[in-house]
Amino acid sequence: GNSVTQMEGPVTLSEEAFLTINCTYTATGYPSLFWYVQYPGEGLQLLLKATKADDKGSNKGFEATYRKETTSFHLEKGSVQVSDSAVYFCALNREGAQKLVFGQGTRLTINP
Amino acid sequence: GAGVSQSPRYKVAKRGQDVALRCDPISGHVSLFWYQQALGQGPEFLTYFQNEAQLDKSGLPSDRFFAERPEGSVSTLKIQRTQQEDSAVYLCASSLFSYEQYFGPGTRLTVT
Repeated sequence: GNSVTQMEGPVTLSEEAFLTINCTYTATGYPSLFWYVQYPGEGLQLLLKATKADDKGSNKGFEATYRKETTSFHLEKGSVQVSDSAVYFCALNREGAQKLVFGQGTRLTINP
Repeated sequence: GAGVSQSPRYKVAKRGQDVALRCDPISGHVSLFWYQQALGQGPEFLTYFQNEAQLDKSGLPSDRFFAERPEGSVSTLKIQRTQQEDSAVYLCASSLFSYEQYFGPGTRLTVT
């Protein structure tokens, strides 16, 4: 079946550090891939997405590249800020399907 | 503009009680999804509507759970004879045509 595996948290970094949160997936066909973010006290928000191999999604300084050969979609940011503290979820939806399959989430804390 | 809204935001139920959770999607969004998010986990798909038609209910965990969207707008998720394992955050999401789903803030259900 379809599944998403994320780097386990929590992750704690200092401000301006480089961030990587690993995400790998298992799926048939060509899924679309997503990163969602959940800030404290708020609902899930789409951060970025990629719909085909080698696509790069980017938003708010975050990037992730759809790597079909390694079935990965790692989230990166060059210089994190305190305001990036949140829970990050990697997700996919299978080609032709609507429902999202989520990873377990990675809690990120950025210290000043 | 108005996003997805859910009510109530918090619900405490005694074991065995019935509960009803409401979702108001973004106006004009044809697709509506329900997800269940256990503490410390990623959301898991429950069911999906396109307009008033329930096209996928494969994620509903038991026959105590059912959902409806009679006029293709507001949706209600009903849980009968609640059990402790039903304690979770219930998320509603809506989308227009693309794969981008917009999430509500969730209803936190606690069964005592």
